[in-house]
Amino acid sequence: DAKTTQPTSMDCAEGRAANLPCNHSTISGNEYVYWYRQIHSQGPQYIIHGLKNNETNEMASLIITEDRKSSTLILPHATLRDTAVYYCIVRVGAAGNKLTFGGGTRVLVKP
Amino acid sequence: EPEVTQTPSHQVTQMGQEVILRCVPISNHLYFYWYRQILGQKVEFLVSFYNNEISEKSEIFDDQFSVERPDGSNFTLKIRSTKLEDSAMYFCASRGDSDSGGYTFGSGTRLTVV
Repeated sequence: DAKTTQPTSMDCAEGRAANLPCNHSTISGNEYVYWYRQIHSQGPQYIIHGLKNNETNEMASLIITEDRKSSTLILPHATLRDTAVYYCIVRVGAAGNKLTFGGGTRVLVKP
Repeated sequence: EPEVTQTPSHQVTQMGQEVILRCVPISNHLYFYWYRQILGQKVEFLVSFYNNEISEKSEIFDDQFSVERPDGSNFTLKIRSTKLEDSAMYFCASRGDSDSGGYTFGSGTRLTVV
């Protein structure tokens, strides 16, 4: 699976949009981009995933560049409860494949 | 919303003892996983399980570890002879058969080996 690079940490203001970048310059054509988050020591929580097109769900939006070498997770209106470690993971789209977690971005939402 | 359930939430055991961590995956899911997270470190893959057999395992998953799906609903991780360094959060996860679907993780079992 392709390696991803994320900033170690970032702060954002409550109520503002949080934009979390991820670089995956070695991504191949059959690899999906997944985003998960981990609040404190809870189990990782699925946020969103995509292959080529931008995606949106009730939690977030995922913007993937046209060359697929980077992506941005957007939390439209960050709340204090969005404080967590956010993981960008690239994974081949075969059903059984595992997720490989990196260090992620530690996001602190401030009042 | 369907959940992956793990029990117990916290287990304390003496070094050298056997422990069994239990998980109930989402009922229609086909792929099952165990991960662990040592305090302050990354989430690490241990093993994946499909069609009643291990499909992949990491270097961490040595002969001290085993997994089982004894009754079609539970998915267990056994550590035969625990070591101090086995102290960690252990997460179970499951997913359906879609190539791109998300994984659902349980809330974890905190294992403390003393």
